[in-house]
Amino acid sequence: NAGVMQNPRHLVRRRGQEARLRCSPMKGHSHVYWYRQLPEEGLKFMVYLQKENIIDESGMPKERFSAEFPKEGPSILRIQQVVRGDSAAYFCASSPRGRGYEQYFGPGTRLTVT
Amino acid sequence: EDQVTQSPEALRLQEGESSSLNCSYTVSGLRGLFWYRQDPGKGPEFLFTLYSAGEEKEKERLKATLTKKESFLHITAPKPEDSATYLCAVHPGTDQGAQKLVFGQGTRLTINP
Repeated sequence: NAGVMQNPRHLVRRRGQEARLRCSPMKGHSHVYWYRQLPEEGLKFMVYLQKENIIDESGMPKERFSAEFPKEGPSILRIQQVVRGDSAAYFCASSPRGRGYEQYFGPGTRLTVT
Repeated sequence: EDQVTQSPEALRLQEGESSSLNCSYTVSGLRGLFWYRQDPGKGPEFLFTLYSAGEEKEKERLKATLTKKESFLHITAPKPEDSATYLCAVHPGTDQGAQKLVFGQGTRLTINP
């Protein structure tokens, strides 16, 4: 069974560019979560999505960040006009329907803003 | 505010030297407490879920326990391959729609051969 897949694994962007991070959940999982891990800090929740719906975006910065989980294809976390402070590891997790507490994580995308 | 605190921040042990990692939490309702292992450059790997005070789970050299205010991850006779960062997370029960996990900052465990 394939686990949660994320790509790219490493992403380098210059200040002002856009970053797109992709996440494919585990087979059979319909819920996706995005977390951010800043250097020397713990994982922080960003957003929780189901297919075509954002359920909880209470952890998302108000500007420049957006997320989607379309009917077909992976979930996308988009960061517009990146700044140095966006440099972090971004992890996606997925869970089966009705068991949101069982979250399985992907390997992460490490974003570096230069 | 829901909060998770792990101690110590870092722990060095000799191979075979048993010890415990602590996770204390304050949440308004607990639906579950989780332990994850994270290796450098990788995502968290699920270890245990605990739901109620008094519950215990074991896996190889690891044993997790839960009280009303804290959880312990006991490691017995560790080996160098147990070296990793161990993360504790809680699933607060305040909002039926919310499914976010609240993580502690982790304990970085190093086992010297």
